[in-house]
Amino acid sequence: QKEVEQDPGPLSVPEGAIVSLNCTYSNSAFQYFMWYRQYSRKGPELLMYTYSSGNKEDGRFTAQVDKSSKYISLFIRDSQPSDSATYLCGAGSYQLTFGKGTKLSVIP
Amino acid sequence: DTAVSQTPKYLVTQMGNDKSIKCEQNLGHDTMYWYKQDSKKFLKIMFSYNNKELIINETVPNRFSPKSPDKAHLNLHINSLELGDSAVYFCASSQDPGMMDTGELFFGEGSRLTVL
Repeated sequence: QKEVEQDPGPLSVPEGAIVSLNCTYSNSAFQYFMWYRQYSRKGPELLMYTYSSGNKEDGRFTAQVDKSSKYISLFIRDSQPSDSATYLCGAGSYQLTFGKGTKLSVIP
Repeated sequence: DTAVSQTPKYLVTQMGNDKSIKCEQNLGHDTMYWYKQDSKKFLKIMFSYNNKELIINETVPNRFSPKSPDKAHLNLHINSLELGDSAVYFCASSQDPGMMDTGELFFGEGSRLTVL
């Protein structure tokens, strides 16, 4: 079992939809959780970072962590075509382990 | 002004050749990394250097040899290239080697290696 599992999609939604991206992890020692966004032909860039269970909001983006069920989620409200990218979840305690990434397309 | 820059961006070569990828960061970070991203977008760490010292060395064939001449540079040399080495190789840097701070990794734009 991989340490961080993520549904690779692809996921296609209409503009304005609420998007839910999910990951699970297996290592109870993981303390830090993050989401990276990667546009085509570019390097990943940090979108959200958290180290506790609960929600963290930043504009249209909400990261949610449930340590009891080892579940990580990213919600995107009012999705825009510019949100079209691959989203990588990551978790770790010292070193970051990434999921496989979910490719999202937001259709105008 | 690019924070993490890699060269070359594209590399096409024959099996059995040796090639190098160079990386430089101007963020003043102490830690640099090499990641490999396969065709399915799976991003996996290969090596990490902190202040020119190797701190993470994942299970990678010894045909891959990193070298850090100073803390702003991290190069990757690959000997005897194989078809399975085709991937995008990302260089990254962070202020700290662990997750204790923001956990933010700053990535370069990647070097796309194709082995024929």
